[in-house]
Amino acid sequence: DTGVSQNPRHKITKRGQNVTFRCDPISEHNRLYWYRQTLGQGPEFLTYFQNEAQLEKSRLLSDRFSAERPKGSFSTLEIQRTEQGDSAMYLCASSPWEGDPSSPLHFGNGTRLTVT
Amino acid sequence: KQEVTQIPAALSVPEGENLVLNCSFTDSAIYNLQWFRQDPGKGLTSLLLIQSSQREQTSGRLNASLDKSSGRSTLYIAASQPGDSATYLCAVRGFKTIFGAGTRLFVKA
Repeated sequence: DTGVSQNPRHKITKRGQNVTFRCDPISEHNRLYWYRQTLGQGPEFLTYFQNEAQLEKSRLLSDRFSAERPKGSFSTLEIQRTEQGDSAMYLCASSPWEGDPSSPLHFGNGTRLTVT
Repeated sequence: KQEVTQIPAALSVPEGENLVLNCSFTDSAIYNLQWFRQDPGKGLTSLLLIQSSQREQTSGRLNASLDKSSGRSTLYIAASQPGDSATYLCAVRGFKTIFGAGTRLFVKA
């Protein structure tokens, strides 16, 4: 198992364009999380999935953001009509669900988004 | 609402020094606390996870302690090396997982 994989590593886009990021979690991890991190700050929670079900969304996730996890495997995060304030590192994490929330989080290397 | 604070925000030490990074949190109703390392432009690498019922965890030169009642955790790094230079983040895991802003560590050769 190679860990959590995120693509692309970097994305530069013009304001107003749509972008989509992909996350492949560790196989058999049924929880998948998306976080956003800006410079000098810790990651901020965006949303998470238990298998294919999206169970929670942060208020940070405006209606321009949408996340999916079809079939409970990989996940995509789409940002529509990007704004300069969307520039950040988008991190994906996964964890096994063993009946309690004490399982460790495993992070990917992130996708760095720059909106010009 | 859980708030997580990491002190100091930045730290520069000579190689070989032992050092302590601090993480404090306001709500003691947590499941566990996880320490991560982040290199520039990279994702987070898990270092140690302490369950709420535990007092400390050790891995190599790293030792993490947890005092839930006082809302504090410390990460102790022994005999620091230049390769330890990175940002260290604590994540307090309760109903939600809340991260601190991190401590940027620079170890001088």
